[in-house]
Amino acid sequence: QVKLQESGPGLVKPSETLSLTCAVSGYSISSGYYWAWIRQPPGKGLEWIATIYHSGNTYYNPSLNSRVTISVDTSKNQFSLNLSSVTAADTAVYYCARRSTSGEPPNPFFDYWGQGTLVTVSS
Amino acid sequence: IVLTQSPGTLSLSPGERATLSCRASQSVANSYLVWYQQKPGQAPRLLIYATSNRATGIPDRFSGSGSGTDFTLTISRLEPEDFAVYYCQQYGTFGQGTKVEMK
Repeated sequence: QVKLQESGPGLVKPSETLSLTCAVSGYSISSGYYWAWIRQPPGKGLEWIATIYHSGNTYYNPSLNSRVTISVDTSKNQFSLNLSSVTAADTAVYYCARRSTSGEPPNPFFDYWGQGTLVTVSS
Repeated sequence: IVLTQSPGTLSLSPGERATLSCRASQSVANSYLVWYQQKPGQAPRLLIYATSNRATGIPDRFSGSGSGTDFTLTISRLEPEDFAVYYCQQYGTFGQGTKVEMK
């Protein structure tokens, strides 16, 4: 059973960097699949942030691209998110997820999700 | 791509049929649609991938259809546990969600 668990500070000050880690169990990141971060502001919808492969290939949401870095640590079987220069608009529940695909060209979908972690941006 | 879900809220009773719509702003060749269910305080749960394939463990009262720019999620007979918010997704874009609430 694949399980994902987010961790990181629940409170970040404006202009600082938000850093989160997703620990994966039940599956080795090195075995394949892409891994992603998705967020959800309180009471709002879902927003894809970034995706990474174990080799380091990355994809970023263009609206966040300049502030986001996603990285992977296969030795710890985890991947991480850094979001710089945060504002109150970055307050959200942050989810990590496994990305699968179907069809050609590959159509992505997220089949396993962490429980999510609320990050509040406030001074 | 912008995904527009309708209606915003659907008020139905258990046992009734629910029809949720997701419209894409443009058609992308060989593009499928994905549906998720989210209950309060929980992570989204994969329901349907590749437009019409149910994910593991999803009951057959859930079905997906459509092509091009118009897609539909149908719940044939609503069970109490089906009242939730439903999101569609295509590539890196999510719809804004449809809330299915108990009438």
